[in-house]
Amino acid sequence: KQEVTQIPAALSVPEGENLVLNCSFTDSAIYNLQWFRQDPGKGLTSLLLIQSSQREQTSGRLNASLDKSSGRSTLYIAASQPGDSATYLCAVLVSGGYNKLIFGAGTRLAVHP
Amino acid sequence: DGGITQSPKYLFRKEGQNVTLSCEQNLNHDAMYWYRQDPGQGLRLIYYSQIVNDFQKGDIAEGYSVSREKKESFPLTVTSAQKNPTAFYLCASSIDRTYGYTFGSGTRLTVV
Repeated sequence: KQEVTQIPAALSVPEGENLVLNCSFTDSAIYNLQWFRQDPGKGLTSLLLIQSSQREQTSGRLNASLDKSSGRSTLYIAASQPGDSATYLCAVLVSGGYNKLIFGAGTRLAVHP
Repeated sequence: DGGITQSPKYLFRKEGQNVTLSCEQNLNHDAMYWYRQDPGQGLRLIYYSQIVNDFQKGDIAEGYSVSREKKESFPLTVTSAQKNPTAFYLCASSIDRTYGYTFGSGTRLTVV
């Protein structure tokens, strides 16, 4: 059974720091991995989608890597800003009769001025 | 702009009452999904539908029902059989596995 774990559960950093959020999954048989951002009381916004054949994806100050064989992904945020404060969710897409997105519990990030 | 619209944003349910959450998308996606989110937990799949007039149970379907009569719409009914319905409900859609999922803004359901 696929399980997704995100470490740390919460993170508080001063503005300007570069930071790394970690995601691990137990079964390497995935189609892709998606990173989402969730603001309090809001829906999920897709940040980056990495296909199983890819190693990384970049969007602005965000870079996500994928090491499928070791079951790990990292989300790198450069030069963090207070506006980056949110919960970041990692999810893997697996096949089991249907395409199923399995989520980690998230990392709650606070960037303070 | 294309997207997913969930309504209402907030919903209150009395004991023994059925309530229906709306989810509409104009992305022309075939697949639609309902997830439940509880504090400190990852999202859990309630129901999914890959085509019109077809839907399947997810991991926590007990106490919920859905319909998929139109491609654009996938309403979720929370029945009185769901004993702990207070949660944040998210609807999502996808065109296929290559393109990832798009989510709506959610409905917060509270039992009063």
